[in-house]
This record gives sequence, C-alpha cells and structure tokens, in this order.
Amino acid sequence: KAGVTQTPRYLIKTRGQQVTLSCSPISGHRSVSWYQQTPGQGLQFLFEYFSETQRNKGNFPGRFSGRQFSNSRSEMNVSTLELGDSALYLCASSLQDSAYEQYFGPGTRLTVT
Amino acid sequence: AQKVTQAQTEISVVEKEDVTLDCVYETRDTTYYLFWYKQPPSGELVFLIRRNSFDEQNEISGRYSWNFQKSTSSFNFTITASQVVDSAVYFCALSDLNAGNNRKLIWGLGTSLAVNP
Repeated sequence: KAGVTQTPRYLIKTRGQQVTLSCSPISGHRSVSWYQQTPGQGLQFLFEYFSETQRNKGNFPGRFSGRQFSNSRSEMNVSTLELGDSALYLCASSLQDSAYEQYFGPGTRLTVT
Repeated sequence: AQKVTQAQTEISVVEKEDVTLDCVYETRDTTYYLFWYKQPPSGELVFLIRRNSFDEQNEISGRYSWNFQKSTSSFNFTITASQVVDSAVYFCALSDLNAGNNRKLIWGLGTSLAVNP
C-alpha cells in the first residue's frame, strides 16, 4: 500500500503571498489531519477532515484553511503568509478518527522570507 | 483538561544502555487511546504503538516495551540495549473526546533521545 504523500516537499515564499499544500492519504483512509511543527513547539494541530467535512479545528487564525475532496485527498491553504508561518507542515491519515493510529507523510518544509 | 506531559525534553545515553521515556496524561474520559510515535532525523513520524484505556497489559516488541498504568496516568516507553538508530524525537499522544463529541489527538512536546556510540 502506498503511504501518505505530500507535495511539494519544499517551498519558499515571501511575506504576504499565499500557499497551497497537498496531501494524498493512504487508500481507504477517510480521515486527514494537518499539523504544524516548529522547533520547541512540538506538533500543533491545525484541522481534521473526514468525508469532506472539517471535524476538528485547532487554534490557528482564519488565514489557515483546508478542504478535503471526495477521493479523500486534502489541501491546506495559508493566505497572507507571515514569517512565523515558516514550519514543517505534516499531513496524517487514519481509518476513521484519532482513536486509530495515524500515518504521516514526509511533510512540506515551508520557508517564508 | 486533556493534557499530555513528557517531562524529559532531552535524554542522552551511550549505546547499549536502557532508557525510559516518561509520559503522563490527563483526561476525563473513561475510554481513550494512547500512542507513541518516533520522529527520526529524516522528519517523518512513525507510529510505534496504540493502547486503549481498558488494556493495561504491558507490551514488548523486540527491544521496545511499554508500561501502561492507569493508577498513575502514565504510559512509559523503555528501549532496552539502545542503539544509535534509536536516536530520534519520541512523541506520546492521547486520543479522547472533545467538547463536540469528536475524537481529538493531544500531543506531548516530545523527548529528544540521543544515543551515542
């Protein structure tokens, strides 16, 4: 079974721009979660999608948004980028919800200059 | 409030030493799930183990073992005879119901383990 894939792997943007990151979950997995990881902050939960609906949301500003398509693929978007948005963005998929183990993609390293 | 505490920020050991990573959690739920994940220097998180709140049996997988104790709300992870390849950040996580009756994963801040040759 193919693992979770994320594209792109690396991205450099300037302040004020917007960015879209993509995640393809493991086949059969319906839940996709997004995390932001920065040094010293651990994993910060962004949101979780299940069957095209946002089921859980973390404490991030509205500049961070996401969606899930009917094939379970998910995208997250960050508008009006700030320097503090520089981070590793991780996508994880699981069968149903967080009661099940999550499988992570390699992440997208976003650098905002 | 739900919370996961990994009090050890960094641990450094010499190869072949045993090392225990601590995890203490807080939850109001009676049904919950606990996890350990490993993040090697390459960056990709790897699932290690899942435990539900009704199963307090300890588990051993090769050099890895886990001690789940509900009485102390702890789910500790021990690596026996550590190896350099065990060097990674290890995360403990808790899944329980949030206010909206959906399950949400609560993460500890991680313990960075360095195994030196």
